Amino acid sequence: DAGVIQSPRHEVTEMGQEVTLRCKPISGHDYLFWYRQTMMRGLELLIYFNNNVPIDDSGMPEDRFSAKMPNASFSTLKIQPSEPRDSAVYFCASSLKGSTGELFFGEGSRLTVL
Amino acid sequence: DAKTTQPPSMDCAEGRAANLPCNHSTISGNEYVYWYRQIHSQGPQYIIHGLKNNETNEMASLIITEDRKSSTLILPHATLRDTAVYYCIVRGPRDSSASKIIFGSGTRLSIRP
Repeated sequence: DAGVIQSPRHEVTEMGQEVTLRCKPISGHDYLFWYRQTMMRGLELLIYFNNNVPIDDSGMPEDRFSAKMPNASFSTLKIQPSEPRDSAVYFCASSLKGSTGELFFGEGSRLTVL
Repeated sequence: DAKTTQPPSMDCAEGRAANLPCNHSTISGNEYVYWYRQIHSQGPQYIIHGLKNNETNEMASLIITEDRKSSTLILPHATLRDTAVYYCIVRGPRDSSASKIIFGSGTRLSIRP
């Protein structure tokens, strides 16, 4: 299996622009998680889905952030409008119900907002 | 909020056992202890998990105290490639609403040659 695939790996944008991060979970996995990592705040859970349905979005910073999972093989995290404080590495992870509960992480998307 | 306490940093000589402690004094009876590590700029990687009993796999051993209020991750023969941040996490039963994984600040382990 190719593992969790995230794109883009790097994104540099200007304040006010819309940013869309993409994630393809491991085939057959039914949980999907979005995390954000910064030096100041560490790894923060933003939102997670089960069977494409958002279960807990309490970590989503504010209304500028939205996440969707239109099908089992694709999810997006959108920031509109972006701000410099959104600069971070965004990780996507997936896991399988009934397994060990292990999360498989992608390589992350490094976002820089100027 | 993270339910665990870990030392911010540790070091260990290459080839020796690395013992990483974790306190989770408020752990509930149905909560698991998970360990992940994150090598620089990569996504976190699962290491091991346990409920009550000690566990061992090809990567590490997990020792959980009888009262379950603390645990120790043991890397039996540390190598330079084990240099990473190690996270100890407490989570609810799999497939429950409490099953989300919350990362704390972890322990930065440095392996010296």
